[in-house]
Amino acid sequence: EAGVVQSPRYKIIEKKQPVAFWCNPISGHNTLYWYLQNLGQGPELLIRYENEEAVDDSQLPKDRFSAERLKGVDSTLKIQPAELGDSAVYLCASSFGSGGRETQYFGPGTRLLVL
Amino acid sequence: DQQVKQNSPSLSVQEGRISILNCDYTNSMFDYFLWYKKYPAEGPTFLISISSIKDKNEDGRFTVFLNKSAKHLSLHIVPSQPGDSAVYFCAASGVGGSARQLTFGSGTQLTVLP
Repeated sequence: EAGVVQSPRYKIIEKKQPVAFWCNPISGHNTLYWYLQNLGQGPELLIRYENEEAVDDSQLPKDRFSAERLKGVDSTLKIQPAELGDSAVYLCASSFGSGGRETQYFGPGTRLLVL
Repeated sequence: DQQVKQNSPSLSVQEGRISILNCDYTNSMFDYFLWYKKYPAEGPTFLISISSIKDKNEDGRFTVFLNKSAKHLSLHIVPSQPGDSAVYFCAASGVGGSARQLTFGSGTQLTVLP
């Protein structure tokens, strides 16, 4: 079974530039999560989708971050414009269900460096 | 406000010995706890979980203990193997509001020395 796929794996951009990350969840998983992981910290939830609907985006900085999950499968997370403090690893995860007990399967992440 | 805390950033253990990783939480709404393991350049992978109705869950070499009164859980790995060297994250969730999402600790880097 294929795992969660993310691309690109690495991205280096200059500040104020836009950047986008893509995630393909495990087939059949209706719940998709985007996490931010800063160096030396655990993942922090940015947004959670149940099918196409964003059901928890309270932690997403909406002035510069946006996300979409068209057709309830793949998802894209965008930052525009990027700031130096956005340098981090962006993790995508998926699960079947979202009651809080489901195992979340993580992708390898996209490591972003903003110069 | 860190609701899940892993106070030891690193731990070194000799191969064959026991590794004990600790985690404390503050949110009394948490009732489900997990451990994830992460190798470099990979995403975290689920290791073991425990519900608050239990105080112990075992899976092979891995055992998680939960002390609800102390709001403390620990992961025991016996015997430790070099392949266990990784970052271990403790995570917690609950049934209401923001507690429903997974909240992670900052991780403990385990190094198992051959």
